[in-house]
Amino acid sequence: GESVGLHLPTLSVQEGDNSIINCAYSNSASDYFIWYKQESGKGPQFIIDIRSNMDKRQGQRVTVLLNKTVKHLSLQIAATQPGDSAVYFCAENKRGGATNKLIFGTGTLLAVQP
Amino acid sequence: DSGVTQTPKHLITATGQRVTLRCSPRSGDLSVYWYQQSLDQGLQFLIQYYNGEERAKGNILERFSAQQFPDLHSELNLSSLELGDSALYFCASSPGLADNEQFFGPGTRLTVL
Repeated sequence: GESVGLHLPTLSVQEGDNSIINCAYSNSASDYFIWYKQESGKGPQFIIDIRSNMDKRQGQRVTVLLNKTVKHLSLQIAATQPGDSAVYFCAENKRGGATNKLIFGTGTLLAVQP
Repeated sequence: DSGVTQTPKHLITATGQRVTLRCSPRSGDLSVYWYQQSLDQGLQFLIQYYNGEERAKGNILERFSAQQFPDLHSELNLSSLELGDSALYFCASSPGLADNEQFFGPGTRLTVL
């Protein structure tokens, strides 16, 4: 069945370091993979997405890497800041027909130490 | 602030009761999505409406129903509530039918006693 899961439930990093959050997926038919960030007490917030035919996509301070061979997705955050502390979810989106929906992984808590 | 509003912010009710959660999407967004977030199930997609019509369904229980009105606001109705329905319920909106970027509201925390 479809599933998206995370390797590390908690990641603690020092302010200024780079962070890498990992995610494994099982559905090779997904069209897009997406990262969301959820700060305490708030709803999830879109960070970046990547189409399934791409390997890498960069945004502002973030890079998403997709390895389809091993069905692995990662989010790299450069120069991590205290404001980056949040739960990070990977999600997949398989579009088409009546099945367009985001399937979220279990989440990784990123704790940034000052 | 995402521009999506949800009411109420908190809701406490008893088992067997029925509640209605309300969502107003961002101005101009035609899609509304409902999600349930619980500790043991994570963030689960429930249902999507686009311009008044149901377009996608997830793991939504038969006791739950939703609708989107002509002014595009949406309501999620939860009936015959059980303890396990206690969760955060999020509404999200987006302009189109298949957007990866969805704008989430602040959520409604439902507690069933």
